[in-house]
Amino acid sequence: AQSVTQLDSQVPVFEEAPVELRCNYSSSVSVYLFWYVQYPNQGLQLLLKYLSGSTLVKGINGFEAEFNKSQTSFHLRKPSVHISDTAEYFCAVRINDYKLSFGAGTTVTVRA
Amino acid sequence: DAGVIQSPRHEVTEMGQEVTLRCKLISGHNSLFWYRQTMMRGLELLIYFNNNVPIDDSGMPEDRFSAKMPNASFSTLKIQPSEPRDSAVYFCASSSGAGGYTFGSGTRLTVV
Repeated sequence: AQSVTQLDSQVPVFEEAPVELRCNYSSSVSVYLFWYVQYPNQGLQLLLKYLSGSTLVKGINGFEAEFNKSQTSFHLRKPSVHISDTAEYFCAVRINDYKLSFGAGTTVTVRA
Repeated sequence: DAGVIQSPRHEVTEMGQEVTLRCKLISGHNSLFWYRQTMMRGLELLIYFNNNVPIDDSGMPEDRFSAKMPNASFSTLKIQPSEPRDSAVYFCASSSGAGGYTFGSGTRLTVV
């Protein structure tokens, strides 16, 4: 079975500093990988996705992620965060033709 | 495109009452998902519809929960009778393929 592990439950970071959110997946087959962001009292919004092709994926709001097959990782990065990036971030892997398995989430708190 | 629309945004009800949550899909999307989000269990898939047909309802907690999709653009999730442990945020999401889901803003249900 495919699953996702987000290695950090809480990440505090200062404004304009870089941030990396770690995600590892377990899979023996081809994978589709996703990062979602959830702002307070809102639904999940797709940040970026890896389906195939280039292993470096660029998403919205300046985020990017790198698919590393050998390390089974899909870490999310942003070189300079803003206060508005304070949110919960979820990594997900498609485990069959329709179902996503979500990680437990990482709460990012950006401080001035 | 107005996105996935859920109603109501908030629902407070007494134990034993019937609760109906509503979801309007994005036009052209043929897959619909109902998720439940709690602090303890994270995001759980309750049920998946494809082309209005329930494909996977293995996540529905018990017989008190039922979901319908009477047409291609609308779905309901009903809890009867409701219990305090059903308190959660319920999300509807739709998809048109492998590219990920579009989530609604959720319904925050509180059963007292």
